[in-house]
Amino acid sequence: RKEVEQDPGPFNVPEGATVAFNCTYSNSASQSFFWYRQDCRKEPKLLMSVYSSGNEDGRFTAQLNRASQYISLLIRDSKLSDSATYLCVVSRMDSSYKLIFGSGTRLLVRP
Amino acid sequence: NAGVMQNPRHLVRRRGQEARLRCSPMKGHSHVYWYRQLPEEGLKFMVYLQKENIIDESGMPKERFSAEFPKEGPSILRIQQVVRGDSAAYFCASSPGTGTYNQPQHFGDGTRLSIL
Repeated sequence: RKEVEQDPGPFNVPEGATVAFNCTYSNSASQSFFWYRQDCRKEPKLLMSVYSSGNEDGRFTAQLNRASQYISLLIRDSKLSDSATYLCVVSRMDSSYKLIFGSGTRLLVRP
Repeated sequence: NAGVMQNPRHLVRRRGQEARLRCSPMKGHSHVYWYRQLPEEGLKFMVYLQKENIIDESGMPKERFSAEFPKEGPSILRIQQVVRGDSAAYFCASSPGTGTYNQPQHFGDGTRLSIL
């Protein structure tokens, strides 16, 4: 079983739609949580850190449920430029804070 | 631009040759991580270094791969006697330190290694 699991998608949505991605992690010692975005053949870029209380950055909202070991990302009012692969990422101190990546969820936003 | 700098962007080698990938962390960052992304797969951790020290190499293949981060100069990921299966994108990331958790890592553009 992978340490970070994501639905690979693809999610194919029209512009303006709201889309939600889910992610589960298996190691309860995980301490830090992130969503990264990766465009085709490019480097991962930090989208947002995820905090226990939940956090929002413009059209993006991230939630963390430590009891269920579950992370989510909500994108409102999707733009064509949101088309990318979204990577759920965790890290923990006892593992040198290395990033542990999910395989990613692909999003396609159509006109 | 003080971002993470990797070079070369693309590297082509024949089987049996050596590949050297370089990474200069962001200004002020002393921690370097290397990750590998095989075609159609997610990123996998390889090695974590601080200046002159390898902290965690649990993701490095036992043979042919080595990494260093000297006192002066960039971090180097070295692959000896490359094989076709080494073809991948190699990404370097840096962070300022691990004193406070939840510090995100920032990635370089990556080196795409192709083995003929």
